Amino acid sequence: GENVEQHPSTLSVQEGDSAVIKCTYSDSASNYFPWYKQELGKRPQLIIDIRSNVGEKKDQRIAVTLNKTAKHFSLHITETQPEDSAVYFCAARNGNQFYFGTGTSLTVIP
Amino acid sequence: DAGVIQSPRHEVTEMGQEVTLRCKPISGHNSLFWYRQTMMRGLELLIYFNNNVPIDDSGMPEDRFSAKMPNASFSTLKIQPSEPRDSAVYFCASSRGTSGNTIYFGEGSWLTVV
Repeated sequence: GENVEQHPSTLSVQEGDSAVIKCTYSDSASNYFPWYKQELGKRPQLIIDIRSNVGEKKDQRIAVTLNKTAKHFSLHITETQPEDSAVYFCAARNGNQFYFGTGTSLTVIP
Repeated sequence: DAGVIQSPRHEVTEMGQEVTLRCKPISGHNSLFWYRQTMMRGLELLIYFNNNVPIDDSGMPEDRFSAKMPNASFSTLKIQPSEPRDSAVYFCASSRGTSGNTIYFGEGSWLTVV
């Protein structure tokens, strides 16, 4: 089956700096890659996604890149703000199954 | 749409008691997932259904756990008997069963077994 690895597990950045979270997957049949943000005590919520026929997607301060050859995809957050502090999960969809990374706890220091 | 609806939101129960968690997926979604989240183990897939049929239950920890989906708009996850190590947040999620569609989570059921 699919295996998704996510790094780093924790990340601290100064407000205004950029944050990058990286994920790898193992099965080239995976074709859809969503990213979720989970605030403390809340449910994971979709923040951005990318399909396998696209290399990059941007939505305001967040962007996702996909390298299908290397089986890597990354989340980029620019101009970080304290409200970006949360746990971020990457995922890969393979058939009807979603495989999640282990999460990155992001802290933005004011 | 109201999103994925779970109940109860919070439950505290004594060891040995039966626990039933309920989920209503988003209308039109034909895949339903039950996840368990803990600090130690992160987000674990317990079971998922496609068109009301259980497809993969390899994540169900043991026979104390069972899940059903009697129709397209309702699913239950039952723990009998419950144990303290079952304390976790249980998320139900749903998606359309076609490539490229994302998964939407419910608010979660926070279970504490004492």
